[in-house]
Amino acid sequence: EAGVAQSPRYKIIEKRQSVAFWCNPISGHATLYWYQQILGQGPKLLIQFQNNGVVDDSQLPKDRFSAERLKGVDSTLKIQPAKLEDSAVYLCASSLERGGTTEAFFGQGTRLTVV
Amino acid sequence: GNSVTQMEGPVTLSEEAFLTINCTYTATGYPSLFWYVQYPGEGLQLLLKATKADDKGSNKGFEATYRKETTSFHLEKGSVQVSDSAVYFCALRFNAGNMLTFGGGTRLMVKP
Repeated sequence: EAGVAQSPRYKIIEKRQSVAFWCNPISGHATLYWYQQILGQGPKLLIQFQNNGVVDDSQLPKDRFSAERLKGVDSTLKIQPAKLEDSAVYLCASSLERGGTTEAFFGQGTRLTVV
Repeated sequence: GNSVTQMEGPVTLSEEAFLTINCTYTATGYPSLFWYVQYPGEGLQLLLKATKADDKGSNKGFEATYRKETTSFHLEKGSVQVSDSAVYFCALRFNAGNMLTFGGGTRLMVKP
């Protein structure tokens, strides 16, 4: 079974530029998450989708971050404009359903460096 | 709010040594508890979990017991291998929300 796919693996941009990350979850997984992992810290949830609807985006800096999940499958996370403090690994995860004890599977992440 | 606190690393051990990585949590209610592992260059992988008090999760020689009275979920392994070198994350989740709250991670380095 294919895992969660993310691209690109690495991205370096200058501050104030824009960047987008892409995630393809495991086939059939209804729930999709984006986490931000700053170096030396644990991942922090940015946004959670159930199919193509947003369940939780309370931690998403909406003045610069946006995310969408068209057709309830692939998702993109965008930062515009980027700041130095956005340097982090952006992890996408998916799970079969919301609730219960369903395991979340993580992609390898996109490492963003803002210079 | 909910939070998870882990011992800071790095933890450096010799092969076959005993491992303990401490994890405590603060939460309203009774969450499920998890340990995730991140090997170099790879994504987070679920190592083990426990869903209620006194449950013991185990996998690949690792164990952790859900202690409600001490709000802890310490990770242990009796004899570590070089291949166990990774970053370990403790996390909690309430079933209804399915969102994971992670600790800061503990890097384990095992030397031959």
